[in-house]
Amino acid sequence: AAGVIQSPRHLIKEKRETATLKCYPIPRHDTVYWYQQGPGQDPQFLISFYEKMQSDKGSIPDRFSAQQFSDYHSELNMSSLELGDSALYFCASSAKYRDPTREQYFGPGTRLTVT
Amino acid sequence: KQEVTQIPAALSVPEGENLVLNCSFTDSAIYNLQWFRQDPGKGLTSLLLIQSSQREQTSGRLNASLDKSSGRSTLYIAASQPGDSATYLCAVSLQTGANNLFFGTGTRLTVIP
Repeated sequence: AAGVIQSPRHLIKEKRETATLKCYPIPRHDTVYWYQQGPGQDPQFLISFYEKMQSDKGSIPDRFSAQQFSDYHSELNMSSLELGDSALYFCASSAKYRDPTREQYFGPGTRLTVT
Repeated sequence: KQEVTQIPAALSVPEGENLVLNCSFTDSAIYNLQWFRQDPGKGLTSLLLIQSSQREQTSGRLNASLDKSSGRSTLYIAASQPGDSATYLCAVSLQTGANNLFFGTGTRLTVIP
């Protein structure tokens, strides 16, 4: 079965640079979620999209923005990168209203290192 | 705001032992609860999902229970194996809102051969 795809898997950037992370949800899933997991921490919710509209916002810095496109893939854009942005970034998808369990399926993550 | 706590933070057991991991949450109005496994530096592997109307779910040597009214869940691992060594995370979604998950702090399990 198809899973959530994230690219790139690893990314190294310098401070003040910009990074773009991509997420391709499971086909026919209508909702995408982004989470950030810092070293030794639990994942924190950043932002979600339902049917290409922003659905909810968590602890996402103003330097970050995200969107979901017509093909349902999503991109997380991160500008003015700081050392503290180094983390694992997970994308998850769900068929929020078609699946009564609303289970979220996670991608393998993108490891961002800011130097 | 939903707070999710896991106890203990770390656990070390000899191979073959049965063990219980605990998860507690402050807002009992949850929609579902998921247990995940995470190996160091790796992604999240979903183990079990319990809907708020359910009391338990089983998969192989794993059994998860849910007591929504008291805000608790347990993950029971039978006959532990060294390959079970990982961090176990529980996460809950709320009945209201956009279904994002609130994660616990995790329990790091080491199974000693």
